[in-house]
Amino acid sequence: DAKTTQPTSMDCAEGRAANLPCNHSTISGNEYVYWYRQIHSQGPQYIIHGLKNNETNEMASLIITEDRKSSTLILPHATLRDTAVYYCIVRAKIQGAQKLVFGQGTRLTINP
Amino acid sequence: SAVISQKPSRDICQRGTSLTIQCQVDSQVTMMFWYRQQPGQSLTLIATANQGSEATYESGFVIDKFPISRPNLTFSTLTVSNMSPEDSSIYLCSVELSFTEAFFGQGTRLTVV
Repeated sequence: DAKTTQPTSMDCAEGRAANLPCNHSTISGNEYVYWYRQIHSQGPQYIIHGLKNNETNEMASLIITEDRKSSTLILPHATLRDTAVYYCIVRAKIQGAQKLVFGQGTRLTINP
Repeated sequence: SAVISQKPSRDICQRGTSLTIQCQVDSQVTMMFWYRQQPGQSLTLIATANQGSEATYESGFVIDKFPISRPNLTFSTLTVSNMSPEDSSIYLCSVELSFTEAFFGQGTRLTVV
């Protein structure tokens, strides 16, 4: 699985968009970009994933650059409950369940 | 989606003893994953548990220390054996129903004294 690089921490004001970057310059053609978050004292929670097209769901948007070497997770209107550690994970999407390889993630703090 | 129940949610144990953590899923799944999260750190995979076969351990983890059972498609246990303070961590189980989303239990917070 390709390695990812994320900033250690970020701050964002409540109500503003939170943009979390992730570098994955060694990503392979069959590897997807996944985002999970872990709110304090809870298990990780899936947010979104994508291959090369931008994706949006009820939680967030995922913007992947054309060369696929980096991506940005966007929380459009951050709330205090979005304070968490956000993990960017790259892996292939193939038949059968697979393990997730977690990096250190970005600790996002939403400030009132 | 999947609902995962872990027991116990937390425990304080004496060094040298063992603790068995249970993971119950509300769906039948082939693979279950066990992760460890040491204080202030990210998650590290301990092993993958397939129903009907021996668990597959990641580098640095051995069966004698972390024996795993997988008696059926909805249940698994992880035992932390002969505990030391270095085993103080959060232990989480996880499943993946589709090829899209993994679900995690709330974790077992273990403190070894």
